[in-house]
Amino acid sequence: DQQVKQNSPSLSVQEGRISILNCDYTNSMFDYFLWYKKYPAEGPTFLISISSIKDKNEDGRFTVFLNKSAKHLSLHIVPSQPGDSAVYFCAASHGNAGNMLTFGGGTRLMVKP
Amino acid sequence: DTGVSQDPRHKITKRGQNVTFRCDPISEHNRLYWYRQTLGQGPEFLTYFQNEAQLEKSRLLSDRFSAERPKGSFSTLEIQRTEQGDSAMYLCASSLEFGRGGLTYPGELFFGEGSRLTVL
Repeated sequence: DQQVKQNSPSLSVQEGRISILNCDYTNSMFDYFLWYKKYPAEGPTFLISISSIKDKNEDGRFTVFLNKSAKHLSLHIVPSQPGDSAVYFCAASHGNAGNMLTFGGGTRLMVKP
Repeated sequence: DTGVSQDPRHKITKRGQNVTFRCDPISEHNRLYWYRQTLGQGPEFLTYFQNEAQLEKSRLLSDRFSAERPKGSFSTLEIQRTEQGDSAMYLCASSLEFGRGGLTYPGELFFGEGSRLTVL
């Protein structure tokens, strides 16, 4: 049973426009969420996180929104740049079992110049 | 370079052989994780260590898999009698846990570049 799902395997966006990547989760115990970016032949690198006490966290061009009632989070990239082209994973954990992160399947973002 | 390093980056082996991967975490991190990633999937948790203690193992980790972290520093992941289904990227990550509200969270995981295993 996939507890973290990214239903869009790929997304194509024009440079300068907004990229919106979505993630849904089923485990209501999750209360800490992260986004990772992965380039080919590299390990995932941390982008941004949000805890359940917030509904928004912003870091430069990256903003993560959390809708706890819908069990949904999204990552907004504004403006999108060609260097943002990568696979993006959302991940979740909860403090009662803070041993690991559970990852979604990833969304491949392509930003066209 | 003070990041997480993994060795070897790529290993090709024949079915039935044993392989071992090594991970050197960020030195001040107390947690070390092993994940596996197959094509088109997100990383799947295998096991984690807090210092030298292996505290949790996924059911994905069959008895052919063994992980160690002697002295709480580097870690090794050994796969015995490899099968073609073991072909994957094996990712190591380390983190510094944090606490909030009496609970403990894994923190931000820093990943290595991975060790790709191909079993022929």
